[in-house]
Amino acid sequence: EVQLVESGGGLVQPGGSLRLSCAASGFTFSNYSMNWVRQAPGKGLEWLSYISSSSSNKYFADSVQGRFTISRDNAKNSLYLQMNSLRDEDSAVYYCARDGGASSWPKHFDYWGQGTLVTVSS
Amino acid sequence: QLVLTQSPSASASLGASVKLTCTLRRGHSSYAIAWHQQQPEKGPRYLMKLNSDGSHSKGDGIPDRFSGSSSGAERYLTISSLQSQDEADYYCQTWGTGTVVFGGGTKLTVL
Repeated sequence: EVQLVESGGGLVQPGGSLRLSCAASGFTFSNYSMNWVRQAPGKGLEWLSYISSSSSNKYFADSVQGRFTISRDNAKNSLYLQMNSLRDEDSAVYYCARDGGASSWPKHFDYWGQGTLVTVSS
Repeated sequence: QLVLTQSPSASASLGASVKLTCTLRRGHSSYAIAWHQQQPEKGPRYLMKLNSDGSHSKGDGIPDRFSGSSSGAERYLTISSLQSQDEADYYCQTWGTGTVVFGGGTKLTVL
């Protein structure tokens, strides 16, 4: 059974940093590209970032470009999102999602985690 | 620019069928999309990938009550024999080189 479990969320002050993790199991993690998606309270889904299976390709939404970085450790079956210079508007539930396509850019997402809540507030 | 448009809300009666629509912006009518379901207080769940010709591939364990179809720039999700657990938000998603876009979501109420 495919499982994606996010962790690392919490309360952080504006301007601060946070690192999210996503632990993957039930599939060969190193064969799949991965994504981060967030959802602000009461709002829709917003794609944030993509990383290819070998980490050779990475993409970011304009809203987080230059502030967030994505990485992965295939030996640990883990995906990460380093978030710097956090703003109030970054408050959201953050999801990791497996990419269902075999490509060098994101495609459809075929498995999702349950999310971790990030609150940016002073 | 990739844009997906969804109606904010829809409703249908228990046991009935409902057809949700996701519209691609002009010039992108050949794009595939994916449908995702998000029940209250849960993470999203992948339903299916839907191609421009109407062919679709469903996620693991998705019942036959869920089906997809396409017409031009419109992508549809039809849910038949509605059950109470189908009450959820439904999002469509599409992608281009290096980017992903979600529709605003449709909140489905089962009456």
